[in-house]
Amino acid sequence: EGQLVVSGGGLVKPGESLRLSCTASGFSFSDYRMNWVRQAPGKGLEWVSSINSGSGIIYYADSVKGRFTISRDNTKNSLYLQMNSLRVEDTAMYYCAKEGSHSNWFDPWGQGNLVTVSS
Amino acid sequence: QSVLTQPPSVSGAPGQRVSVSCTGSSSNIGADYDVHWYQQLPGTAPKLLIYRNNNRPSGVPDRFSGSKSGTSASLAIAGLQAEDEADYYCQSFDSSLSAVVFGGGTKLTVL
Repeated sequence: EGQLVVSGGGLVKPGESLRLSCTASGFSFSDYRMNWVRQAPGKGLEWVSSINSGSGIIYYADSVKGRFTISRDNTKNSLYLQMNSLRVEDTAMYYCAKEGSHSNWFDPWGQGNLVTVSS
Repeated sequence: QSVLTQPPSVSGAPGQRVSVSCTGSSSNIGADYDVHWYQQLPGTAPKLLIYRNNNRPSGVPDRFSGSKSGTSASLAIAGLQAEDEADYYCQSFDSSLSAVVFGGGTKLTVL
């Protein structure tokens, strides 16, 4: 099944930038589409972005389009989320997740990393 | 407002059976996109519970089952146990949004 570990969260001010990393182990990272999902405090899950195995097919939620950039380095088994122009409403726990074959279920999920945007 | 609609809460006594509904539309569940279900225990990451409508990953008890019909899907939990108390989310894909979509989540309380 594998394991995912998210790092890079923290406290930033509105308008600032932050980069999240997700390091994979226990599966062939380069074979799978990967995703970012976030959860605001006390709220439900919100899909953020996805990237296919070769980085050629990328999707974003409308709420982050133009501000966030997803990328991956298959040589390092790593997924990234560059977050620019952060807003208070981007405050959330950010999870990375591996997408299943042939259908978009998510398993496993990383442990999550909290991003807080506050002045 | 989530694209997939779930009841905010359900409850049941130990040993009982409960179900959680997930209602979509013709651009997601009704368009024959698969529905997946997740369990989120307090303070933890979501865990895959049901994939592709009615399939259980290894390690998930057969007390959990999923079904799908038309523009809706449902998660059933039989023989409720105290450790089933958690938030449950459905997930699918929406062709109008070209995006993965989640339900708003349902909090299960074991009485």
